[in-house]
Amino acid sequence: SQKIEQNSEALNIQEGKTATLTCNYTNYSPAYLQWYRQDPGRGPVFLLLIRENEKEKRKERLKVTFDTTLKQSLFHITASQPADSATYLCAPGTGGFKTIFGAGTRLFVKA
Amino acid sequence: NAGVTQTPKFQVLKTGQSMTLQCAQDMNHNSMYWYRQDPGMGLRLIYYSASEGTTDKGEVPNGYNVSRLNKREFSLRLESAAPSQTSVYFCASTIQGATASYEQYFGPGTRLTVT
Repeated sequence: SQKIEQNSEALNIQEGKTATLTCNYTNYSPAYLQWYRQDPGRGPVFLLLIRENEKEKRKERLKVTFDTTLKQSLFHITASQPADSATYLCAPGTGGFKTIFGAGTRLFVKA
Repeated sequence: NAGVTQTPKFQVLKTGQSMTLQCAQDMNHNSMYWYRQDPGMGLRLIYYSASEGTTDKGEVPNGYNVSRLNKREFSLRLESAAPSQTSVYFCASTIQGATASYEQYFGPGTRLTVT
């Protein structure tokens, strides 16, 4: 069955450093991959979508890579700030209505 | 624009009671979704509505029913609540359709406890 793995352990980094989160998937070939941010007690908020023919995508301090050979996406936040502390969810998709979400990685950025 | 709204925000039910979770979006989106989120697990799709007038089962539909009342509103009903349905429920919507946009807009969630 389709499976998505995100690091279940929280990632703790110092302000100003680059945070790198990993999303691995198995048993399917997504046409695109989305990343969402979720703050405690709130719904997820869409951040970025990268398609299978795009190796890298950037938005302000965010950078996402998508390696279909490794079946992996990396999500980078450069010059991280305490306000970046949240849970980040990845969601590889195939274009239908049934998007599968990973459980998310909790990021803590210490001042 | 309010985006996606959900009511209620919190609810406590006893086993066997029924309730309906309400969701509305004001973005003229075609597709709407209901998810549940449990600790340590990703969002799991309960039901979705690709367009007004249609509904389909997702990954975990047992114990739930849905109604796409109109293009704006999509409700989720628990007919006989069970403790296993204790969770946070999120409604979401997307434009979808011919110019497919996969970005989902989520509501604030309903925290449901079944005792």
